[in-house]
Amino acid sequence: NAGVTQTPKFQVLKTGQSMTLQCAQDMNHEYMSWYRQDPGMGLRLIHYSVGAGITDQGEVPNGYNVSRSTTEDFPLRLLSAAPSQTSVYFCASSFTSGREDGELFFGEGSRLTVL
Amino acid sequence: RKEVEQDPGPFNVPEGATVAFNCTYSNSASQSFFWYRQDCRKEPKLLMSVYSSGNEDGRFTAQLNRASQYISLLIRDSKLSDSATYLCVVNTGYALNFGKGTSLLVTP
Repeated sequence: NAGVTQTPKFQVLKTGQSMTLQCAQDMNHEYMSWYRQDPGMGLRLIHYSVGAGITDQGEVPNGYNVSRSTTEDFPLRLLSAAPSQTSVYFCASSFTSGREDGELFFGEGSRLTVL
Repeated sequence: RKEVEQDPGPFNVPEGATVAFNCTYSNSASQSFFWYRQDCRKEPKLLMSVYSSGNEDGRFTAQLNRASQYISLLIRDSKLSDSATYLCVVNTGYALNFGKGTSLLVTP
């Protein structure tokens, strides 16, 4: 089973470049989300979506855009990369928003370095 | 103030020991609670949900105290394979808020 697939796994960017982190899930989950994880900061929610066509901001949305045109895909766009966006990015999905027993399934992570 | 607070550790314990982790959360409207496990450079994975009455899964016991806004995880008979970071997770509406994690190292 594929589960949640993120690409690329590693990426190096220069300041000011743009890029898109891809996320796809094959579990027919309504809820998808993007987190970033930094040393000493834990996982912080960037954006989330409760279904196709619906997105909302999380704790740290600045500098990132998302869209949800299909149930399966939830790409994260960095508009103009900055060194502060160097991080490990995780995409996660769930049947629900995590309420009750809605387990979050994570991708393997994308390690981004911005020079 | 972070919504979910954990002692970062590290907790270094010998095999067979019992170890407990604590977590506090700030939003009294939080609806559901979880412990996730994260191995080094890997993605987090659900360890167990936390129910109001407390629940057990093998060597792991989770407790919730809504009045004190406090969650705990007890690991009995620690194994080397339990070495990981344990993340306290609280649901508030449409987001799961993660604590920074508590690092556990079980030594021979």
